[in-house]
Amino acid sequence: TQLLEQSPQFLSIQEGENLTVYCNSSSVFSSLQWYRQEPGEGPVLLVTVVTGGEVKKLKRLTFQFGDARKDSSLHITAAQTGDTGLYLCAGDDSSNTGKLIFGQGTTLQVKP
Amino acid sequence: GAGVSQTPSNKVTEKGKYVELRCDPISGHTALYWYRQSLGQGPEFLIYFQGTGAADDSGLPNDRFFAVRPEGSVSTLKIQRTERGDSAVYLCASSLDSNYGYTFGSGTRLTVV
Repeated sequence: TQLLEQSPQFLSIQEGENLTVYCNSSSVFSSLQWYRQEPGEGPVLLVTVVTGGEVKKLKRLTFQFGDARKDSSLHITAAQTGDTGLYLCAGDDSSNTGKLIFGQGTTLQVKP
Repeated sequence: GAGVSQTPSNKVTEKGKYVELRCDPISGHTALYWYRQSLGQGPEFLIYFQGTGAADDSGLPNDRFFAVRPEGSVSTLKIQRTERGDSAVYLCASSLDSNYGYTFGSGTRLTVV
């Protein structure tokens, strides 16, 4: 069974601080996605990484896919209150159906 | 439509009742997925449609759950004899095909009392 473990599960920081969220597995994934979800809404796709060692940047967010394609990280520089939300990583399972396996999520609270 | 539409947004039902949850995907998206999200957890896969057929229903928890997509567009998730443990947010997502990223709807929050 493929599982994704996210850490930390909850993070509360002050505006302007940096943070990193980790997503780990013992399984290899062909691709990995990061989503952000706000209360009462569905997850919104931030990025997809497909190549081992790949780094993608989205403004203040930096996403990295591990060399072995078993883990990923999301780093936010100079967090803003608007970054508050639930961050989810999701791996493409091996069935080639587009089915995703999600981590349990990291709840980020950025205080002014 | 511009996005994935799910109705109702909230549903409260009594234990033992039957419920239907509707998903209207983005026009032209052939792949449609249902997920269930419990409080404080990530979404869990329920079922995947490619066109009209259920290509993978391995995530449906038991035979009380059933989903259809008769014309390859709108899908309905049906839950019979609801139980309190069925309470969760039911999310629908669609994509152009299984190789593309998803667009999720806002979900239906189901509460079984």
